[in-house]
Amino acid sequence: GDSVTQMEGPVTLSEEAFLTINCTYTATGYPSLFWYVQYPGEGLQLLLKATKADDKGSNKGFEATYRKETTSFHLEKGSVQVSDSAVYFCALSALIKAAGNKLTFGGGTRVLVKP
Amino acid sequence: DVKVTQSSRYLVKRTGEKVFLECVQDMDHENMFWYRQDPGLGLRLIYFSYDVKMKEKGDIPEGYSVSREKKERFSLILESASTNQTSMYLCASSLPPTGVGRETQYFGPGTRLLVL
Repeated sequence: GDSVTQMEGPVTLSEEAFLTINCTYTATGYPSLFWYVQYPGEGLQLLLKATKADDKGSNKGFEATYRKETTSFHLEKGSVQVSDSAVYFCALSALIKAAGNKLTFGGGTRVLVKP
Repeated sequence: DVKVTQSSRYLVKRTGEKVFLECVQDMDHENMFWYRQDPGLGLRLIYFSYDVKMKEKGDIPEGYSVSREKKERFSLILESASTNQTSMYLCASSLPPTGVGRETQYFGPGTRLLVL
């Protein structure tokens, strides 16, 4: 079945450091790929997405490129802020019925940015 | 702006109680989902619904049931709560995946359930 693997945290960084969170996936077909972020005490928010190979999703300074050849969707940010402290989830979307899709999530990576 | 609301942020229940978790979305989405979130396991799909009165089992449906009587409302029911159902429960909604990008799911704030 489909699966998503992402690096375990926690990842602790200083402000303005470079952040990379690795994500690889296993899926049949050509899923859409997502990064969701969960800030403390909140639900998940969509951070960015990519729907086909070589697409780059970007938002709030974060980027991720859909790499079909390496089945990866690594998240990067060039200069993190304290406000980026959160849990980040990589996910893929696969069709399970004509009217419905399913998200398969990685285990989440907690990021802590220190001033 | 998209909005998914859940009836409670925190709940404490006793083993054996029947528990109802409510979710409402105001985006006229056809599809609605219930997930549970546990540390290190990410989110796992319990049930989903792609139309009123329709439901499909997800990956971990045992011990749960759902109800969707109206398009905007999707309820998760724990028939007889057990301690291993202590978790964070997240509701989500989306459009049908009939076009690129339409499958994006929008999440509520979550309900943290403690079963004693």
